[in-house]
Amino acid sequence: QVQLQESGPGLVKPSETLSLSCTISGGSISTYYWTWIRQFPGKGLEWIGYIYYTGNTKHNPSLNDRVTISLDTSNNHFSLKLSSVTAADTAVYYCARRVAVRPVYSFDIWGQGTMVTVSS
Amino acid sequence: AIQLTQSPSSLSASVGDRVTITCRSSQGVKNDLGWYQQKPGKAPKLLIYTTSFLQSGVPSRFSGSGSGTYFTLTISSLQPEDFATYYCLQDYDYPLTFGPGTKVEIK
Repeated sequence: QVQLQESGPGLVKPSETLSLSCTISGGSISTYYWTWIRQFPGKGLEWIGYIYYTGNTKHNPSLNDRVTISLDTSNNHFSLKLSSVTAADTAVYYCARRVAVRPVYSFDIWGQGTMVTVSS
Repeated sequence: AIQLTQSPSSLSASVGDRVTITCRSSQGVKNDLGWYQQKPGKAPKLLIYTTSFLQSGVPSRFSGSGSGTYFTLTISSLQPEDFATYYCLQDYDYPLTFGPGTKVEIK
């Protein structure tokens, strides 16, 4: 049973870098897109980006290249760094596993989420 | 980016009711649309992928249909555990985008 668990600071100061990690347990990293998604306090969901098991990445252009996603295959975790944060980055951050092999396109496994507040 | 709209934004229904939620996209997404259920304080849970495929373990009262720009999620007989918020997600083009959600409440 694959499980994902986010970890990282719950409070980040404005202009600093938000750093989160997602530990993957119970399964392989291969063939999946390891993804970050966030949910704003008003409940809207936003796709942040992914790292494929090969190391390829893609992120949401709305984040203006503030995003870095990396993968540590030896320790089975992947990470998110979001730079120059503002209060608008306050959200619950989820890591999720995406399957993208036709006909299956889905986020089938999610972490429990971690709340990150940007405030001084 | 592809915009998704959902209707209604909320609804009140009784146990046993048939409920249909719609999701429209600003451009065609073929069949690359899924549905997720979220309960308070929990992560979204996959219900339906690629328009109509039921995720393993999801009750058969949930079904999905549609194509192109118009999709529906139907709950054939609403159960107490189905009261939640439902989101559609297009997985056709980047950036992937979610609908704003439909909250299903108890009448």
